[in-house]
Amino acid sequence: GAGVSQSPSNKVTEKGKDVELRCDPISGHTALYWYRQSLGQGLEFLIYFQGNSAPDKSGLPSDRFSAERTGGSVSTLTIQRTQQEDSAVYLCASRGGQVGGEAFFGQGTRLTVV
Amino acid sequence: DQQVKQNSPSLSVQEGRISILNCDYTNSMFDYFLWYKKYPAEGPTFLISISSIKDKNEDGRFTVFLNKSAKHLSLHIVPSQPGDSAVYFCAASGLSGGSNYKLTFGKGTLLTVNP
Repeated sequence: GAGVSQSPSNKVTEKGKDVELRCDPISGHTALYWYRQSLGQGLEFLIYFQGNSAPDKSGLPSDRFSAERTGGSVSTLTIQRTQQEDSAVYLCASRGGQVGGEAFFGQGTRLTVV
Repeated sequence: DQQVKQNSPSLSVQEGRISILNCDYTNSMFDYFLWYKKYPAEGPTFLISISSIKDKNEDGRFTVFLNKSAKHLSLHIVPSQPGDSAVYFCAASGLSGGSNYKLTFGKGTLLTVNP
Protein backbone atom coordinates (compact mmCIF):
# COMPACT_ATOMS: atom_id res chain seq x y z
CA GLY A 1 0.00 0.00 0.00
CA ALA A 2 0.95 3.62 -0.32
CA GLY A 3 0.68 4.58 3.33
CA VAL A 4 2.05 3.48 6.69
CA SER A 5 0.36 0.31 7.86
CA GLN A 6 0.14 -0.82 11.47
CA SER A 7 -1.12 -4.10 12.85
CA PRO A 8 -3.07 -5.09 14.76
CA SER A 9 -5.41 -2.11 14.89
CA ASN A 10 -6.61 -3.19 18.33
CA LYS A 11 -5.04 -5.46 20.90
CA VAL A 12 -6.39 -6.53 24.27
CA THR A 13 -3.94 -8.43 26.42
CA GLU A 14 -3.71 -9.66 29.97
CA LYS A 15 -1.33 -8.03 32.39
CA GLY A 16 2.02 -9.78 32.34
CA LYS A 17 1.80 -11.02 28.75
CA ASP A 18 4.14 -9.92 25.96
CA VAL A 19 2.85 -8.11 22.88
CA GLU A 20 4.30 -7.29 19.48
CA LEU A 21 3.14 -4.36 17.41
CA ARG A 22 4.04 -4.13 13.74
CA CYS A 23 4.69 -1.18 11.45
CA ASP A 24 5.10 -1.29 7.67
CA PRO A 25 6.51 2.10 6.62
CA ILE A 26 6.24 3.76 3.25
CA SER A 27 8.65 2.08 0.86
CA GLY A 28 11.95 3.91 0.62
CA HIS A 29 11.50 5.99 3.75
CA THR A 30 14.71 5.97 5.76
CA ALA A 31 13.35 7.31 9.04
CA LEU A 32 10.86 5.44 11.23
CA TYR A 33 9.41 6.67 14.50
CA TRP A 34 7.33 5.12 17.26
CA TYR A 35 5.18 7.28 19.52
CA ARG A 36 2.43 6.55 21.96
CA GLN A 37 -0.57 8.55 23.05
CA SER A 38 -2.13 7.75 26.39
CA LEU A 39 -5.66 8.90 27.16
CA GLY A 40 -5.77 12.69 27.24
CA GLN A 41 -2.05 13.02 26.65
CA GLY A 42 0.14 14.25 23.79
CA LEU A 43 2.43 12.28 21.51
CA GLU A 44 5.17 10.66 23.58
CA PHE A 45 8.32 9.81 21.64
CA LEU A 46 9.52 6.23 22.07
CA ILE A 47 12.20 5.35 19.51
CA TYR A 48 13.60 6.59 16.19
CA PHE A 49 15.36 4.66 13.44
CA GLN A 50 17.35 6.49 10.76
CA GLY A 51 18.86 4.42 7.98
CA ASN A 52 21.63 2.16 9.23
CA SER A 53 22.46 4.33 12.23
CA ALA A 54 22.02 3.12 15.78
CA PRO A 55 18.43 3.87 16.84
CA ASP A 56 17.61 6.66 19.28
CA LYS A 57 16.00 4.75 22.15
CA SER A 58 15.89 7.67 24.54
CA GLY A 59 12.09 7.65 24.78
CA LEU A 60 11.57 4.02 25.76
CA PRO A 61 9.96 4.16 29.22
CA SER A 62 11.50 0.97 30.61
CA ASP A 63 13.58 -2.04 29.64
CA ARG A 64 10.34 -3.92 29.02
CA PHE A 65 10.10 -1.98 25.76
CA SER A 66 12.23 -2.79 22.72
CA ALA A 67 12.01 -2.28 18.99
CA GLU A 68 13.79 -3.46 15.92
CA ARG A 69 13.72 -2.58 12.29
CA THR A 70 14.60 -5.39 9.93
CA GLY A 71 16.19 -4.70 6.58
CA GLY A 72 15.56 -0.99 6.95
CA SER A 73 11.85 -1.57 6.44
CA VAL A 74 9.36 -3.27 8.76
CA SER A 75 9.57 -2.44 12.46
CA THR A 76 8.31 -4.35 15.47
CA LEU A 77 7.74 -2.79 18.89
CA THR A 78 7.75 -5.39 21.66
CA ILE A 79 6.41 -4.84 25.15
CA GLN A 80 7.28 -7.55 27.65
CA ARG A 81 5.32 -8.29 30.81
CA THR A 82 2.70 -5.69 29.97
CA GLN A 83 1.32 -3.45 32.69
CA GLN A 84 -1.96 -1.53 32.80
CA GLU A 85 -0.10 1.76 32.38
CA ASP A 86 1.09 0.51 28.98
CA SER A 87 -2.47 0.93 27.69
CA ALA A 88 -2.31 3.56 24.96
CA VAL A 89 -2.46 4.10 21.21
CA TYR A 90 0.91 3.25 19.67
CA LEU A 91 1.63 5.25 16.54
CA CYS A 92 4.26 4.61 13.91
CA ALA A 93 5.43 7.17 11.35
CA SER A 94 7.90 7.12 8.48
CA ARG A 95 9.72 9.92 6.74
CA GLY A 96 11.90 10.21 3.67
CA GLY A 97 15.51 11.20 4.05
CA GLN A 98 15.23 14.29 1.89
CA VAL A 99 15.71 17.79 3.23
CA GLY A 100 12.64 18.72 5.24
CA GLY A 101 9.58 16.68 4.45
CA GLU A 102 6.73 15.48 6.58
CA ALA A 103 6.34 12.24 8.46
CA PHE A 104 3.38 10.05 7.56
CA PHE A 105 1.57 8.28 10.35
CA GLY A 106 -0.23 4.98 10.47
CA GLN A 107 -3.63 4.61 12.06
CA GLY A 108 -2.12 3.31 15.26
CA THR A 109 -2.55 0.23 17.43
CA ARG A 110 -4.84 0.64 20.41
CA LEU A 111 -3.39 -1.50 23.19
CA THR A 112 -5.51 -2.32 26.22
CA VAL A 113 -3.94 -4.19 29.11
CA VAL A 114 -6.52 -5.78 31.41
CA ASP B 1 12.48 18.75 29.59
CA GLN B 2 9.80 19.70 27.10
CA GLN B 3 11.47 21.10 24.00
CA VAL B 4 8.23 21.85 22.15
CA LYS B 5 5.46 23.48 24.13
CA GLN B 6 1.84 24.12 23.32
CA ASN B 7 0.64 26.00 26.35
CA SER B 8 -3.04 26.12 25.47
CA PRO B 9 -4.64 22.70 25.87
CA SER B 10 -7.83 23.90 24.20
CA LEU B 11 -9.25 26.69 22.06
CA SER B 12 -12.82 27.44 21.07
CA VAL B 13 -13.76 29.74 18.16
CA GLN B 14 -16.83 30.59 16.15
CA GLU B 15 -17.24 29.36 12.60
CA GLY B 16 -15.89 31.90 10.12
CA ARG B 17 -13.50 33.51 12.61
CA ILE B 18 -9.75 33.09 12.82
CA SER B 19 -8.17 30.31 14.89
CA ILE B 20 -4.65 30.96 16.18
CA LEU B 21 -2.71 28.07 17.64
CA ASN B 22 0.61 28.77 19.30
CA CYS B 23 3.78 26.78 19.83
CA ASP B 24 7.09 27.57 21.53
CA TYR B 25 10.36 25.68 21.34
CA THR B 26 13.58 25.75 23.29
CA ASN B 27 16.10 23.86 21.13
CA SER B 28 17.94 26.26 18.82
CA MET B 29 19.00 23.27 16.68
CA PHE B 30 15.46 22.90 15.40
CA ASP B 31 15.19 24.27 11.88
CA TYR B 32 12.10 22.59 10.48
CA PHE B 33 8.62 22.85 11.94
CA LEU B 34 5.40 21.04 11.15
CA TRP B 35 1.75 21.13 12.16
CA TYR B 36 -0.38 18.01 12.32
CA LYS B 37 -4.10 17.56 12.83
CA LYS B 38 -5.53 14.56 14.64
CA TYR B 39 -9.11 13.32 14.77
CA PRO B 40 -10.12 10.73 17.38
CA ALA B 41 -9.24 7.14 16.47
CA GLU B 42 -7.07 8.26 13.54
CA GLY B 43 -3.36 8.84 13.09
CA PRO B 44 -2.12 12.44 12.85
CA THR B 45 -2.21 13.95 9.37
CA PHE B 46 0.22 16.53 8.07
CA LEU B 47 -1.09 20.06 7.57
CA ILE B 48 1.70 22.48 6.81
CA SER B 49 5.39 23.01 7.47
CA ILE B 50 7.98 25.75 7.50
CA SER B 51 11.76 25.78 7.44
CA SER B 52 13.79 28.23 9.47
CA ILE B 53 14.86 30.21 6.43
CA LYS B 54 11.28 31.48 6.09
CA ASP B 55 9.00 33.38 8.39
CA LYS B 56 5.71 32.53 6.73
CA ASN B 57 4.19 29.72 4.72
CA GLU B 58 0.65 29.74 3.42
CA ASP B 59 -1.53 26.94 2.07
CA GLY B 60 -5.15 27.81 1.47
CA ARG B 61 -6.85 28.61 4.77
CA PHE B 62 -3.74 27.63 6.74
CA THR B 63 -0.77 29.91 7.40
CA VAL B 64 2.19 29.17 9.64
CA PHE B 65 4.31 32.00 11.02
CA LEU B 66 7.78 31.50 12.46
CA ASN B 67 9.57 33.94 14.76
CA LYS B 68 13.06 32.47 15.21
CA SER B 69 14.31 35.09 17.62
CA ALA B 70 11.39 34.36 19.94
CA LYS B 71 11.47 30.61 19.21
CA HIS B 72 7.77 30.83 18.52
CA LEU B 73 5.49 29.65 15.77
CA SER B 74 1.79 29.92 15.20
CA LEU B 75 -0.81 28.35 12.95
CA HIS B 76 -3.60 30.55 11.65
CA ILE B 77 -6.76 29.06 10.22
CA VAL B 78 -9.09 31.47 8.49
CA PRO B 79 -11.98 31.17 8.07
CA SER B 80 -12.42 28.40 10.65
CA GLN B 81 -14.88 25.65 9.82
CA PRO B 82 -16.57 23.06 12.08
CA GLY B 83 -14.62 20.32 10.28
CA ASP B 84 -11.41 21.89 11.59
CA SER B 85 -12.34 20.72 15.09
CA ALA B 86 -9.51 18.38 16.07
CA VAL B 87 -6.33 18.21 18.13
CA TYR B 88 -3.48 20.17 16.55
CA PHE B 89 0.13 19.16 17.22
CA CYS B 90 3.19 21.26 16.64
CA ALA B 91 6.40 19.35 15.81
CA ALA B 92 10.04 20.29 15.26
CA SER B 93 13.17 18.64 13.94
CA GLY B 94 16.49 19.25 12.27
CA LEU B 95 16.37 19.74 8.52
CA SER B 96 18.06 16.64 7.20
CA GLY B 97 18.84 13.06 8.02
CA GLY B 98 20.84 11.97 11.00
CA SER B 99 20.25 12.25 14.71
CA ASN B 100 18.75 15.69 14.36
CA TYR B 101 15.95 14.37 12.14
CA LYS B 102 14.03 13.17 15.19
CA LEU B 103 10.56 14.69 15.34
CA THR B 104 9.64 16.20 18.68
CA PHE B 105 5.96 16.97 19.31
CA GLY B 106 4.11 19.29 21.62
CA LYS B 107 1.23 18.04 23.76
CA GLY B 108 -1.41 19.35 21.37
CA THR B 109 -4.24 21.88 21.41
CA LEU B 110 -7.85 20.79 21.07
CA LEU B 111 -9.58 23.20 18.67
CA THR B 112 -13.36 23.37 18.71
CA VAL B 113 -15.07 25.39 15.99
CA ASN B 114 -18.66 26.16 16.90
CA PRO B 115 -21.28 26.51 14.15
